[in-house]
This record gives sequence, structure tokens and C-alpha cells, in this order.
Amino acid sequence: KAGVTQTPRYLIKTRGQQVTLSCSPISGHRSVSWYQQTPGQGLQFLFEYFSETQRNKGNFPGRFSGRQFSNSRSEMNVSTLELGDSALYLCASSLVGTLNTGELFFGEGSRLTVL
Amino acid sequence: AQSVTQLDSQVPVFEEAPVELRCNYSSSVSVYLFWYVQYPNQGLQLLLKYLSGSTLVESINGFEAEFNKSQTSFHLRKPSVHISDTAEYFCAVREVLSGNTPLVFGKGTRLSVIA
Repeated sequence: KAGVTQTPRYLIKTRGQQVTLSCSPISGHRSVSWYQQTPGQGLQFLFEYFSETQRNKGNFPGRFSGRQFSNSRSEMNVSTLELGDSALYLCASSLVGTLNTGELFFGEGSRLTVL
Repeated sequence: AQSVTQLDSQVPVFEEAPVELRCNYSSSVSVYLFWYVQYPNQGLQLLLKYLSGSTLVESINGFEAEFNKSQTSFHLRKPSVHISDTAEYFCAVREVLSGNTPLVFGKGTRLSVIA
């Protein structure tokens, strides 16, 4: 079974630009979560999508947005990039159901550098 | 709301020595607990989890963790580490019966195994 796939793996942008990151979950997983990882803050939750609907949202400004498609693939977008947005963005998928334990399966991440 | 504290940001240890990575959580209800590992330039992988039942859980590569409800801890241990165990380790918690709240992570402990 293929794992979680994130593209691109690496990208460099300049301040003020916008970026879109893509995530394909494990087949059959309908929930996709996004986390931002930085050395100082660790993993911070951005948002979670389930059945094309945002189910949870972390404490990030409106410049961070996301969406999920009918095939469960997800994208996140960051507009008006700032230097502080440089981070590893991790996508994770999970099964959803009555026995949901919250276990997440992570992709390798998209490393964004903002210059 | 739940939270996780990993008491050590970095732990250096010699090869074949024992190691303990500490994790404490805060929650007023029952929880699921997880340890994830992140190798360099990779995403997070589930190492082990406590859902219910026996308070001692083990991974396939020799790590174990013990759930201690009275001390609200879930420390990770290995009796003899290997160079290949060098990685960052994250403790995570999710409240049982909380609906669909996101997994909350600690800030991580970087384990460095020295030859």
C-alpha cells in the first residue's frame, strides 16, 4: 500500500509570494491533517480535512488555507509569504470510524524556504 | 485541553547504553498516547502506542513505553541503543471520546547515539 505522498519535497520562495503544497493520502484514508514543523515550535497543527470539509483548525492566520478534493487529496496554500513561514510542512492521513484512535500516517514533508 | 511536555530537548548517549526519553501529559480525561520517530529528512513514523489494556507497550525495534496514569507520564525506554536509533522522538496525546480533536505533539527530544 503506498504511503502518504507530498509534493514538492523542497521549494524556495521569496517574501510576498504564495505557495501551494499537495498531499495524497493513503488509499482509503479520508482524513488529512497538516502540521507545520519548525526547530523552535515543534509540530503545530494547521488544519484537518474530512470529506472535503475542514473539521479542525489550528491557531494560524488566514494566510494559511487548505482544501480537500473528492478523492481525499488535499492542498494547502500560504499567501503573502513571510520569512517566518520557512518550515517543514507535514501532511498526515488517518482512518476515520468508530474505532478512530487518532493515529496519523505522515508523508515526508515539503520543506519551504522563504528568502 | 490536552498538552504534552517532553522534558529533554536533547539526549546524548553512548552506543549500547540504556536510554529514557521522558514525556508527561496533561488531560482531565482518558487519553490515547503515542510515540513517533523522525529520522533525518523524513516524516514521522509511529513507534508505539497506548490505547488501553496493558500499561507497558513495546515496539518491534526494542523500545518500550509505560503508561503511568497517576504520574500522567508515558516515558520511552530502550535497554541498549544503536547508532541507527539517532533521530528525533515525539510524544503525542489525544483525548478518548473527544470527537475528532487533533493529535497534540510535544516539542520533541533529539536522541544522539555516540559510537
